[in-house]
Amino acid sequence: EVQLLESGGGLVQPGGSLRLSCAASGFSFSSYAMTWVRQAPGKGLEWVSVIGAGGNAKYYADSVKGRFTISRDNSRNTLYLQMNSLRVEDTAVYFCAQVVWSTSYRFEQWGQGTLVTVSS
Amino acid sequence: QSALTQPPSASASPGQSVTISCTGTSTDVGGYNYVSWYQQHPGKAPKLMIYEVSQRPSGVPDRFSGSKSGNTASLTVSGLQAEDEADYFCTSFAGSNNVIFGGGTKLTVL
Repeated sequence: EVQLLESGGGLVQPGGSLRLSCAASGFSFSSYAMTWVRQAPGKGLEWVSVIGAGGNAKYYADSVKGRFTISRDNSRNTLYLQMNSLRVEDTAVYFCAQVVWSTSYRFEQWGQGTLVTVSS
Repeated sequence: QSALTQPPSASASPGQSVTISCTGTSTDVGGYNYVSWYQQHPGKAPKLMIYEVSQRPSGVPDRFSGSKSGNTASLTVSGLQAEDEADYFCTSFAGSNNVIFGGGTKLTVL
């Protein structure tokens, strides 16, 4: 069974930093691209970033480009999202997801999410 | 890139059918067959229901179907059941390694 468990969320002041983690199990982590998607309170979903299976290909939504960095450690089956220069509008539940990119652009399995609150 | 347009709400009675639309442009929905649909119950993670416009993952009931015409994709749920009540989101590839979401539709089973 695929399991994705996010952690690292919390309350941070505007301008601050936070690193999210996503621990994966139940599938061959190193064979899949992985992605982050967020959902502001009471709002719709927004794609944030994706990283290829090997970790070299990385893409970002314009709203986070230059501030967020996606990475992965295939030896630890873990996905990361380093978030810097955080803004109030970054407040959201952040989901990690196993994704089939390039050939389908579908988010196959999702974690339960971790809440990031940016507020003074 | 603007979000895809979905109706905020839809409703139907048990056993009936309902169709949810997802409207984009020729640079996203109309330009690629990479439309997916997700179901999200309150406080839960989204679940993939349809991908590549009309493909159903294993385990998803065949009551769920997808289609596309021009710049509008549609999700149809037939034989509505109480557990189908949830939020539904569409996504589309929008070129340049970018995926956009619809605003979501709250489906109510009357």
